[in-house]
This record gives sequence, C-alpha cells and structure tokens, in this order.
Amino acid sequence: GDSVTQMEGPVTLSEEAFLTINCTYTATGYPSLFWYVQYPGEGLQLLLKATKADDKGSNKGFEATYRKETTSFHLEKGSVQVSDSAVYFCALSYYGNKLVFGAGTILRVKS
Amino acid sequence: EAGVAQSPRYKIIEKRQSVAFWCNPISGHATLYWYQQILGQGPKLLIQFQNNGVVDDSQLPKDRFSAERLKGVDSTLKIQPAKLEDSAVYLCASSLSAPPTGELFFGEGSRLTVL
Repeated sequence: GDSVTQMEGPVTLSEEAFLTINCTYTATGYPSLFWYVQYPGEGLQLLLKATKADDKGSNKGFEATYRKETTSFHLEKGSVQVSDSAVYFCALSYYGNKLVFGAGTILRVKS
Repeated sequence: EAGVAQSPRYKIIEKRQSVAFWCNPISGHATLYWYQQILGQGPKLLIQFQNNGVVDDSQLPKDRFSAERLKGVDSTLKIQPAKLEDSAVYLCASSLSAPPTGELFFGEGSRLTVL
C-alpha cells in the first residue's frame, strides 16, 4: 500500500542554520503531497502542499518540490528560527482525501 | 472562526473499560475524520464521514471501536472494551469536501492512557 518515510529525528539546529527534512513516498498512482506541522500544544496544521510532479510548495520560508523520479518531497528552509521548533509530518493523499502520514520528525532549534 | 473542538483532552482508564471522545468540527465542514496517533508514529485514519455517512472505515477495529456522526455535525468515537495498545492520541479533523484540497483542520487531540 501507499506509505511515507521520513528521516528520523530529532533534528537539532542552531538558529539561522539551513534545514532539510527528507521525505520519500511509495504510491501506486500520482498522489498530492503535503507537509503538516505540529507546534507544541497545538493541533496539526497544513504547512505546504504540491499536487503534481515538479510543483513547488512554499509557505513561511519553507519549500518542498514534488520529485516523481526520486519519489521525494524534501522540506527545506534557508534559515531556521527558534519558533520553527515543532514536529513535521510528510503526507500523501489522492483527490484531497485520506491523508497517509509519515512518522514525523522533531525539529529543535537552539538560539 | 472557531477551530475543531475535542473533549476530553486527557483520559486515563483501566483495560476493558470503555471511553468516548467527542468532536465538533468547523462550521460548514462536511467531511470529518478520526485519526489515531500512537507515540512515535504518524496519525493513522480510523474513519472518515461525509455529512453523516461513512466514507472509509477500513482501518477501524470494529470489534471494539465505533463512531457516529448524527445530524452531520459533531461526532463521537467510542472504545469498548479498551486494550493497552489503544493508548494513543485521538485526533479529529474536518475539511471542506467540495472540492477536496487535502487541507484538514485538526483539533488538539484527546490523549488516552490505558492501564
């Protein structure tokens, strides 16, 4: 079945460092891809998405590009802040329904 | 705009007892989801409703879990009898259904501990 694999965490970075969180997927078709974020004490919320190959999703300085050839959707940010500390989930879905999530990656940013 | 409301936030029960969780989605959202998130894992879909009809319950352990969404608004998820492996956070989410965009709005979750 469809699945999502994320790099294990926690990822610990200093403020202003470059961030990459790897995400690869296995799918029978051509799903949409998502990154969700969960800040401490809050519910999951959509960070960005891409609906087809070569699309780039972006939001709040984060970016991810849908790479069909490598079945990947890596999350990147050029300069992280302490406020970016959270758990990041990569996910896929078909037609916008039934999200399949990865296990999540904890990001800790130190000042 | 009010978000997805869930209660209780925390519940501790003994195994073989029963528990119920309640969810009130964002007003106007026709689609409602219950996810189970076990520590260290990503959320797993238990059941999806479209209005008050079930769209997908393929991963719901129907021998002990049940869910309903009367009148197509709020929803209740019940576990009876609970097992140790049911310890998890139960997340409720809602979304606009037409067209589906994949943007789900999640509540803060209900954390269940089964002793």
